[in-house]
Amino acid sequence: AQSVTQPDIHITVSEGASLELRCNYSYGATPYLFWYVQSPGQGLQLLLKYFSGDTLVQGIKGFEAEFKRSQSSFNLRKPSVHWSDVAEYFCAVATSGGSYIPTFGRGTSLIVHP
Amino acid sequence: ETGVTQSPTHLIKTRGQQVTLRCSSQSGHNTVSWYQQALGQGPQFIFQYYREEENGRGNFPPRFSGLQFPNYSSELNVNALELDDSALYLCASSSFGRAPPGELFFGEGSRLTVL
Repeated sequence: AQSVTQPDIHITVSEGASLELRCNYSYGATPYLFWYVQSPGQGLQLLLKYFSGDTLVQGIKGFEAEFKRSQSSFNLRKPSVHWSDVAEYFCAVATSGGSYIPTFGRGTSLIVHP
Repeated sequence: ETGVTQSPTHLIKTRGQQVTLRCSSQSGHNTVSWYQQALGQGPQFIFQYYREEENGRGNFPPRFSGLQFPNYSSELNVNALELDDSALYLCASSSFGRAPPGELFFGEGSRLTVL
């Protein structure tokens, strides 16, 4: 069965600092991987996705993520965080074994200090 | 392009009551999924509809049911409400067969409180 682990419940960074949010998945083959963002009181918005090819993918709002097969990871990064990035970030995995229905992690809450 | 819209945005019910939540898919999308997001948790998959048929179901009891209509809009019905049903219910549309699998477009959700 597919599963996703986001080990950090909260991450606090200073504005302008770099950011890395961790995501690990469990599945035997290469899955489809996603990062979604949920601003307070909003639904989820897709930040970026990985299906195949280049393991470094670029997304919206200056985010990028790197797929590392050897570590079963898909960590999200941003070189310089802005206060408007305060949100909940969810990693998700979709696989053939799960009929390509995404399974979400529990989320990481990003707090930005001025 | 019209996005995913959900109604109502907030509602309060009491235990044992029934609730219907509605969702209009993004134009051009033929699949709708429903997720339950409890406070502080990630979205949990309830079910998915494609061509008006249930196309997958998560670990939710039968009192959670749904419909998809010919115009691809959808309803989520929950009977015999329990306190633990209090959550944000998210509808997501997608384009099965025409877009990468798993890429979802979410509405802003319906916040259900059960007292």
